[in-house]
Amino acid sequence: AQKITQTQPGMFVQEKEAVTLDCTYDTSDPSYGLFWYKQPSSGEMIFLIYQGSYDQQNATEGRYSLNFQKARKSANLVISASQLGDSAMYFCAMREVGNTDKLIFGTGTRLQVFP
Amino acid sequence: ETGVTQSPTHLIKTRGQQVTLRCSSQSGHNTVSWYQQALGQGPQFIFQYYREEENGRGNFPPRFSGLQFPNYSSELNVNALELDDSALYLCASSLVGQGMGTEAFFGQGTRLTVV
Repeated sequence: AQKITQTQPGMFVQEKEAVTLDCTYDTSDPSYGLFWYKQPSSGEMIFLIYQGSYDQQNATEGRYSLNFQKARKSANLVISASQLGDSAMYFCAMREVGNTDKLIFGTGTRLQVFP
Repeated sequence: ETGVTQSPTHLIKTRGQQVTLRCSSQSGHNTVSWYQQALGQGPQFIFQYYREEENGRGNFPPRFSGLQFPNYSSELNVNALELDDSALYLCASSLVGQGMGTEAFFGQGTRLTVV
């Protein structure tokens, strides 16, 4: 069965510094997609970045980059130049191969950015 | 904003009652998924609707049911509410068939409290 593991319940980072949020995954499917979402206190899940299992290069989206290590089954999110507005819950998710568009989420990491 | 709206934003119900949650998908999207997010957890997939038919279901009992309408709006119905049903319910819409990396757009959620 597919599974996402996020081992950091909480992380602190100083403003303008970089931070890495860990995510490991488990799947036997060769084709899969990995996502990171941000969830502020308002509740909405905000898409940040996507990495496909066959993508040769690590994904980047502005200040977000994904450190994809396929052999280790890890997909860590790197946020550069942290901002106070980055304080939120961050979820790693995997899209399941099959007929549904189902996402499997980890338990999340609460990031707090301090001045 | 994602274009996905949910109503109501908050709801308090008594154990044993029934509840209907509503979601208006992003324009042009043909698929809607519902997730349950208990406090301190990641979202868990309830079910998905594609072109008004249930297209996949997570590990939730039959008292969780849904509908998708021709205009791609959707409802989540929960009968015989239990205390453990207290959670944030998230609706996500997407356009299936666009590839593994197709983004799912989430609403802000409905926070249900069962007392």
